Amino acid sequence: GENVEQHPSTLSVQEGDSAVIKCTYSDSASNYFPWYKQELGKRPQLIIDIRSNVGEKKDQRIAVTLNKTAKHFSLHITETQPEDSAVYFCAASGGGGNKLTFGTGTQLKVEL
Amino acid sequence: GAVVSQHPSWVICKSGTSVKIECRSLDFQATTMFWYRQFPKQSLMLMATSNEGSKATYEQGVEKDKFLINHASLTLSTLTVTSAHPEDSSFYICSANRDLSEQYFGPGTRLTVT
Repeated sequence: GENVEQHPSTLSVQEGDSAVIKCTYSDSASNYFPWYKQELGKRPQLIIDIRSNVGEKKDQRIAVTLNKTAKHFSLHITETQPEDSAVYFCAASGGGGNKLTFGTGTQLKVEL
Repeated sequence: GAVVSQHPSWVICKSGTSVKIECRSLDFQATTMFWYRQFPKQSLMLMATSNEGSKATYEQGVEKDKFLINHASLTLSTLTVTSAHPEDSSFYICSANRDLSEQYFGPGTRLTVT
């Protein structure tokens, strides 16, 4: 089955700096790669997603890049703000139907 | 659109009892629903995939006789934790598919078994 690895597990940045979170996946048949933000005790919120026919996607301060050959994708957050502090999860699906395989999560802390 | 609800939001039960959690898609029909479990400071782990009118598909290591899933309609799936034990205490989250990829998550149910 699919295996998704995520790094780093924790990330601390100064407000205004950029944050980058990286994920690798194992199943070359995966074709959908969402990123979620989860605050403590809440549901995961989709912040951006990318499909395998696209190499990059951007939405305001958030961007995702996908390298299908290397089987890795990354989340980029620019001009970070304190409200960006949360746990971020990458995920992959498509190789085994619709089910999502999640990465292990990154605790992002944006310090003033 | 694409709202998923769960009930209850939290529940405390005694060891040995059973607990039922409901997952509803409020404004769309979901052919597939998913159940996840999340322990503190850990990722979401898929427990099972539930399709309306058919038996759920469980992930490896998940006891199907302990975690009973029923997907009776296109808007409702239920998860019953039978003979709950303290190690079953966790955050249970459902999600539903409206199309082939994006999943919409419920708010989760915090289960505490005493």
